[in-house]
Amino acid sequence: NAGVTQTPKFRILKIGQSMTLQCTQDMNHNYMYWYRQDPGMGLKLIYYSVGAGITDKGEVPNGYNVSRSTTEDFPLRLELAAPSQTSVYFCASSKRQGGWDSPLHFGNGTRLTVT
Amino acid sequence: AQKVTQAQTEISVVEKEDVTLDCVYETRDTTYYLFWYKQPPSGELVFLIRRNSFDEQNEISGRYSWNFQKSTSSFNFTITASQVVDSAVYFCALSEAWTGGGNKLTFGTGTQLKVEL
Repeated sequence: NAGVTQTPKFRILKIGQSMTLQCTQDMNHNYMYWYRQDPGMGLKLIYYSVGAGITDKGEVPNGYNVSRSTTEDFPLRLELAAPSQTSVYFCASSKRQGGWDSPLHFGNGTRLTVT
Repeated sequence: AQKVTQAQTEISVVEKEDVTLDCVYETRDTTYYLFWYKQPPSGELVFLIRRNSFDEQNEISGRYSWNFQKSTSSFNFTITASQVVDSAVYFCALSEAWTGGGNKLTFGTGTQLKVEL
């Protein structure tokens, strides 16, 4: 049981490039989330999904896109990378039972630098 | 909108001292959950505890204890006899009830705890 797995761990992008951050979970959790963490700040919600085929915006969705074709996978897409997207990105999941009160299980994060 | 404030940016203590991390929250809901997460230097986020708005009982788990007070909208976290391994950033987070399912957390900015020998 690997939990939540994120790849890559580190990435450097040039301005304007695009990339996909991968996230997969093997806990059969319905809910999945993407957060970003900037230095000295808490985590902010980018997008979330309540199940396959259903996604919605969080607090800071601009510049990102997501899809959820399977229960396990929730990739985050950056189309035109900007320096403001330099951050650490965390994927998380939680289970249906208990609904909104279930603790989130986090991946180990992806450190992205845009120069 | 909900808000979580962790006014202490950084705390330094000597090993074996007790330390309390403060968390103050704002919400209009009467039903909500509060969480504490730990982020050690390795970077992962580790779930420590959750508490619902209907349960103001304080909790103790080993060297950790939590004090939830609705009257002051606070959910403080105390480490007794701190150890070097407790050095980490600690985040307080709030989740409000919503019908869509899942758990959208609002995080505080974190408190960096440094425990020195």
